[in-house]
Amino acid sequence: NAGVTQTPKFQVLKTGQSMTLQCAQDMNHNSMYWYRQDPGMGLRLIYYSASEGTTDKGEVPNGYNVSRLNKREFSLRLESAAPSQTSVYFCASRYRFFYGYTFGSGTRLTVV
Amino acid sequence: AQSVTQPDIHITVSEGASLELRCNYSYGATPYLFWYVQSPGQGLQLLLKYFSGDTLVQGIKGFEAEFKRSQSSFNLRKPSVHWSDAAEYFCAVVKGGSEKLVFGKGTKLTVNP
Repeated sequence: NAGVTQTPKFQVLKTGQSMTLQCAQDMNHNSMYWYRQDPGMGLRLIYYSASEGTTDKGEVPNGYNVSRLNKREFSLRLESAAPSQTSVYFCASRYRFFYGYTFGSGTRLTVV
Repeated sequence: AQSVTQPDIHITVSEGASLELRCNYSYGATPYLFWYVQSPGQGLQLLLKYFSGDTLVQGIKGFEAEFKRSQSSFNLRKPSVHWSDAAEYFCAVVKGGSEKLVFGKGTKLTVNP
């Protein structure tokens, strides 16, 4: 089925470890986004990519890096994980505003 | 700065009762407005959206929302709630021309039998 695929679904890291969250969409969408969701905080934008080859910071970019590998894929990297990065991470994509945004099913990350 | 306010953190209704979830935004111009629903452990599903035109918009699962420019509001309604509607609901806003979808903090809905 067409949509946004995130891997892995669950991950436990030790403080200081690094990892990359993967996101791929097969809808030929131009824009892709990474959000984090924390209880009582809603979803907050980490980084986004308006088109292949471009990335920009969102509301909470510190501690993260991103790569728009091609039109389909947008990865999020934690270079040195911290307990404050324990969260659920969502990737999203969109074609045009009026089509809305499509979200993946999320990655639940715990940093101990 | 752009912001989205959902005043109610948690709402409890009885099955069959009507529902209204509130959303207010702070913007000079009319933004693009969305409501999403998230079931426990799941991703977000788009319920409905507003860009222009008729201020009453219909969505999936029997939901509707009304845009009121004078009140900077976009409240979500359902005439009769079902137990399966228990979930968390998020209002979200995009300013025209912006790439950034900004979310409210969400309203958790509990449905009593």
